[in-house]
Order: sequence, then C-alpha cells, then structure tokens
Amino acid sequence: EVQLVESGGGLVQPGRSLRLSCTASGFTFGDYAMNWVRQAPGKGLEWVGFIRSKTYGGTTEYAASVKGRFTISRDDSKSVAYLQMNSLKTEDTAMYYCAREQGMYYDIFTGLMVDPNFFDNWGQGTLVTVSS
Amino acid sequence: QSALTQPASVSGSPGQSITISCTGTSSDVGGYNYVSWYQQHPGKAPKLMIYDVTNRPSGVSHRFSGSKSGNTASLTISGLQAEDEADYYCSSYTSSSTRVVFGGGTKLTVL
Repeated sequence: EVQLVESGGGLVQPGRSLRLSCTASGFTFGDYAMNWVRQAPGKGLEWVGFIRSKTYGGTTEYAASVKGRFTISRDDSKSVAYLQMNSLKTEDTAMYYCAREQGMYYDIFTGLMVDPNFFDNWGQGTLVTVSS
Repeated sequence: QSALTQPASVSGSPGQSITISCTGTSSDVGGYNYVSWYQQHPGKAPKLMIYDVTNRPSGVSHRFSGSKSGNTASLTISGLQAEDEADYYCSSYTSSSTRVVFGGGTKLTVL
C-alpha cells in the first residue's frame, strides 16, 4: 500500500525557517517525482513545487509565490522528500501535503518527454502556522 | 483569485447527475490535455478522480467522467450518492511559470 506521511509542521514566527519531511513507503520512491501542495485554512489548493526523479535529473520547479524562499530536495536512500521553507510569511500558513507524481513519459503527439502533471497519491498533510 | 474558475457550489439529489465546470485559458486548460480532478472530503487529503481530461484511475467509480471543450473542462458525476458530497478541484498544467494551477474548488451537496 502506498503511504506518504508528512511531518515537521508547527508554529513558527514570521521570517523564520522550517523544514517539512515526506516519508514514503509501499513503492519505489526513486522512480517518482514528488510534489508539495498547500491549502490555507478554508481555502483551495495551491501547488508549491516539485522535484523530479533522479532518472530525469532530479530538477525542481516552484510556484512564483515561494520561488527563492522554498527549496525541495530528496533522499532516495531514505525514501524522503523535504521542503525547506525560509523567510516564512503569515500567508504561508497552510496545511502542506506531499503528493506523488509518476515519472516523465514520451508523448507521442508532441514527440517530447513530458511530466504527467497529476498527483496519484497524497499524504494526510502537516499544518504550518506562521504567526508572531 | 484562482487561475482556474469553478462554481462555488453545486447540488443534486441522489440518483441525479451533476456537472462541474472548470474554465481556464489557452495557456492551461485549452492548450493541453493535462486536466485532472480531485475529490476532497472535510479534513481529508485530496484524491485523484480524473487525469488527462478523461481518464479514471483504477478504483474510481465509472460514475465519474471528464471532458473538455475549448478552455473549459467538466467533471460529471452520474447516479449521485451521499458519499459524493465533498469539495472538487480541477487542475491543469500551465505554460506559465507556475507549472500547475488549481481551480478554487466546488462544494458538492447531495440533497
């Protein structure tokens, strides 16, 4: 059974840092890209960023709202993805979910290697509250 | 304001069909077949219901179907059941710097 378990959330002051972890089990972690998606209280979903599998370079991409402040990394030997959050703002207050994405594939229509752009398994989330 | 536009709420009676729309632009919904739909019950994690506009993951009921016309994607749920009451979010790849955008979510009420 696929399981994703987030940890590391809590109360943090504006301007401080926090690191979230997403521990995976039940599948070959290294074969998948890992995403972070957040949801502010009572609000909708917002994609935060992702890291591709090392097969595809382990490259990262981020939403404009967090670029330069957040960093995603992975340790395939431990089946863990991380979200390092620096210079936190009150508007970063949210439930943070990690979500699995399958690896890139060859799109016969475009002739390109593409990311699937959908998330087939999600963790239960960890709550981050940024407040003084 | 979300990048994709969904109705705030829809409702239907058990056994009926409902459709939730998701409107974007040619830079996202209209330009790519990378639309997905997620179901979220209160206090729970989202669950993938539809991917690549029309595809259902293994284990998702055949009552859920997806489609797209121009810049608008749609999720249709037929034979409504009480357990379908939840929030539904659409998502799309976007050629903007954000890569993936979500709709604001639609609350489905089963009367």
